[in-house]
Amino acid sequence: TQLLEQSPQFLSIQEGENLTVYCNSSSVFSSLQWYRQEPGEGPVLLVTVVTGGEVKKLKRLTFQFGDARKDSSLHITAAQPGDTGLYLCAGDGAGTASKLTFGTGTRLQVTL
Amino acid sequence: NAGVTQTPKFRILKIGQSMTLQCAQDMNHNYMYWYRQDPGMGLKLIYYSVGAGITDKGEVPNGYNVSRSTTEDFPLRLELAAPSQTSVYFCASIRGQGVSDTQYFGPGTRLTVL
Repeated sequence: TQLLEQSPQFLSIQEGENLTVYCNSSSVFSSLQWYRQEPGEGPVLLVTVVTGGEVKKLKRLTFQFGDARKDSSLHITAAQPGDTGLYLCAGDGAGTASKLTFGTGTRLQVTL
Repeated sequence: NAGVTQTPKFRILKIGQSMTLQCAQDMNHNYMYWYRQDPGMGLKLIYYSVGAGITDKGEVPNGYNVSRSTTEDFPLRLELAAPSQTSVYFCASIRGQGVSDTQYFGPGTRLTVL
């Protein structure tokens, strides 16, 4: 069974601070996705990383895929209240009909 | 396009009752999935389908059944509801044509079993 551990579980910060969320596994994934989920809604895809060592930027969000494709990180610069939500990483194992293994989630709260 | 739609949005069941959670997508996606999400946790895969007439078990299939008679619809059946099935259920779909495909999620069905 593939497992993805996220840390931290909870994060409460003030507007303008930087933060990093980690997603770690002992398994190799063909790709890794990051989602944000708001209360009462389904997850929404933020980014997919495919190549080991890949770095992608989405405005103030920077995503990195580990060289061995077992881990990933999400860094947010100058967090804003609109960044509040549940962040989920999800790994896609090779040849598995795009079945995703989701991480345990990181709940972020950004206050003024 | 409506994307992925789910009905009902909320439901309360008594122990032992049955129900079907409906899921439909209008994007002509090949692959569809059912997940459950317990409070404050990630999602766990219940069942998935790679096309009409083809279904397979995910990580937590016990107590559930699915069918895929058309490309658009992927209903999830609970035969004998148990309190352990209290959760939020999400349906998702994907074209199924590569690792860069986006998985689209429905808004979820919140189920409580008492």
